[in-house]
Amino acid sequence: TQLLEQSPQFLSIQEGENLTVYCNSSSVFSSLQWYRQEPGEGPVLLVTVVTGGEVKKLKRLTFQFGDARKDSSLHITAAQTGDTGLYLCAGASRDSNYQLIWGAGTKLIIKP
Amino acid sequence: DSGVTQTPKHLITATGQRVTLRCSPRSGDLSVYWYQQSLDQGLQFLIHYYNGEERAKGNILERFSAQQFPDLHSELNLSSLELGDSALYFCASSVELARETQYFGPGTRLLVL
Repeated sequence: TQLLEQSPQFLSIQEGENLTVYCNSSSVFSSLQWYRQEPGEGPVLLVTVVTGGEVKKLKRLTFQFGDARKDSSLHITAAQTGDTGLYLCAGASRDSNYQLIWGAGTKLIIKP
Repeated sequence: DSGVTQTPKHLITATGQRVTLRCSPRSGDLSVYWYQQSLDQGLQFLIHYYNGEERAKGNILERFSAQQFPDLHSELNLSSLELGDSALYFCASSVELARETQYFGPGTRLLVL
């Protein structure tokens, strides 16, 4: 059974601080996606990474795909209250018949 | 607005009842996915339909069933409802493959009393 483990499960920090969220697996993924979900709404795609070692930046968010394509991280610089939400990673692999495997999510609260 | 629509937005029903949730995918998308999300939990994949045919099943209970119609809209049927079925049910769509970007609808919040 393929699993995507996210850590931490919950993070509460002050506005202006930096943070990193991790997504780890023992499986190799052909692609990995990061979504953000606000309360009462559906998840929205932030980024897709496909190449081992790939780094993508989206304003203050930096996404990295591990060299072995088994893990990924999301780093937020100078967090803002608008970053509050549930961050989900999801990966697809040949072993999963390219169905997305979802992590349990990291609930992030940014305090003013 | 993702372009995916779901109805109804809220649903309150009693244990033992049956309900139908409806989803219309984005224009041009052939794949529809159903997910269940309980309070403060991650997404649980239920089922994937592609162009009218079931493509993959996740942790879907036997009391639940789904179908995708020729016009590509999909329905999720939940029967013999239990208190534990109370959750947010999301529909998502993608052009074709599950590994592509999935666009999520606003969800249906189901409360079983």
